Amino acid sequence: AQSVSQHNHHVILSEAASLELGCNYSYGGTVNLFWYVQYPGQHLQLLLKYFSGDPLVKGIKGFEAEFIKSKFSFNLRKPSVQWSDTAEYFCAVSPYGNNRLAFGKGNQVVVIP
Amino acid sequence: DTEVTQTPKHLVMGMTNKKSLKCEQHMGHRAMYWYKQKAKKPPELMFVYSYEKLSINESVPSRFSPECPNSSLLNLHLHALQPEDSALYLCASSRLPTNTGELFFGEGSRLTVL
Repeated sequence: AQSVSQHNHHVILSEAASLELGCNYSYGGTVNLFWYVQYPGQHLQLLLKYFSGDPLVKGIKGFEAEFIKSKFSFNLRKPSVQWSDTAEYFCAVSPYGNNRLAFGKGNQVVVIP
Repeated sequence: DTEVTQTPKHLVMGMTNKKSLKCEQHMGHRAMYWYKQKAKKPPELMFVYSYEKLSINESVPSRFSPECPNSSLLNLHLHALQPEDSALYLCASSRLPTNTGELFFGEGSRLTVL
């Protein structure tokens, strides 16, 4: 079964700072990769996804992520965060052709105005 | 707006009560899921239905009983729950067959067990 690791569970930064959240997965085959965001008191929303093709994917709200196959990583980035980006961010992985999604422990991001 | 609808949004129940959570989707998806999410934790898979048949049960206690009456509906029947079962219960759906594994989540039902 696949597993997902997210580090630096709590991240605090000021508005306009850059954000990078790390995600590493463990699985021997082809995977599909996702980042979900959960704003305070709200439901999970898909931020971006990678299935194949260009390893640099762009999502909503100015987020992007890069798949580096050799490093088993799918790191999330945003060049300049806003207060409204305060949320919990989850990396998730599913094996290709399989709908069994595994989540990382999440990153709690707090942006200070 | 999410296309996966869950009711009720909030539920408070005693340990001897019987209640049900409901989930509905009209995207034509043939896989439906129940996840449990405790505060500040990632969602944990409970059950998966594929083509209206239970395909995955992640060793969930029998006090949780899923049901998939048709391809659009998914229920979770609750009986004799414990306070530690208090959590956000998320329903999700996806296409089948799938190569992408993309799930669409509902807003969840927040359950409190007294």
